Amino acid sequence: SQELEQSPQSLIVQEGKNLTINCTSSKTLYGLYWYKQKYGEGLIFLMMLQKGGEEKSHEKITAKLDEKKQQSSLHITASQPSHAGIYLCGADKPGTYKYIFGTGTRLKVLA
Amino acid sequence: DTAVSQTPKYLVTQMGNDKSIKCEQNLGHDTMYWYKQDSKKFLKIMFSYNNKELIINETVPNRFSPKSPDKAHLNLHINSLELGDSAVYFCASSQTGTGGHSPLHFGNGTRLTVT
Repeated sequence: SQELEQSPQSLIVQEGKNLTINCTSSKTLYGLYWYKQKYGEGLIFLMMLQKGGEEKSHEKITAKLDEKKQQSSLHITASQPSHAGIYLCGADKPGTYKYIFGTGTRLKVLA
Repeated sequence: DTAVSQTPKYLVTQMGNDKSIKCEQNLGHDTMYWYKQDSKKFLKIMFSYNNKELIINETVPNRFSPKSPDKAHLNLHINSLELGDSAVYFCASSQTGTGGHSPLHFGNGTRLTVT
């Protein structure tokens, strides 16, 4: 079965620093999603990537899917305390109803 | 308007009790899910319903029984609660398509504590 591994597991950065979170799949990805979770809240959808080499940005967050579609990275530029939370990657397969999630990356941004 | 709402937000109960969690979505989606998030924040799928039909049941103990009275609602009933059931339970919904991808929309979770 497909598994998603995220690295690092946790990250503490100073405000203003850039950072990258990686998500590696054991199988080819057909759709890759990034979510953010704040404490005590549900997951908020950030971005979806489908095509190999695709890159999307929203405000200061950029996500990429590599050409082979087995790894994605999430990059935050000039981090702010509001970026703190747990970032999860998720994947599905067309024709199925099953979504799986990565192991999560806990981000803390120090002011 | 809240897109996916689940109640209650917190649930504290004793071992052996039976409890229910309710979920409603107003997005018009045709698929709903229950996920369990453990203490390490790992999200694991429990059930999925598409148009009121059960399509995924991930080896969850039969003490857990989902019910979908219509496309907009998916409730979770848990019998004979055990300590290991303590977790955060998330409801989610999505719209399936032919070959298309649709992100999941999540509720804010129900934190269940079994004492």
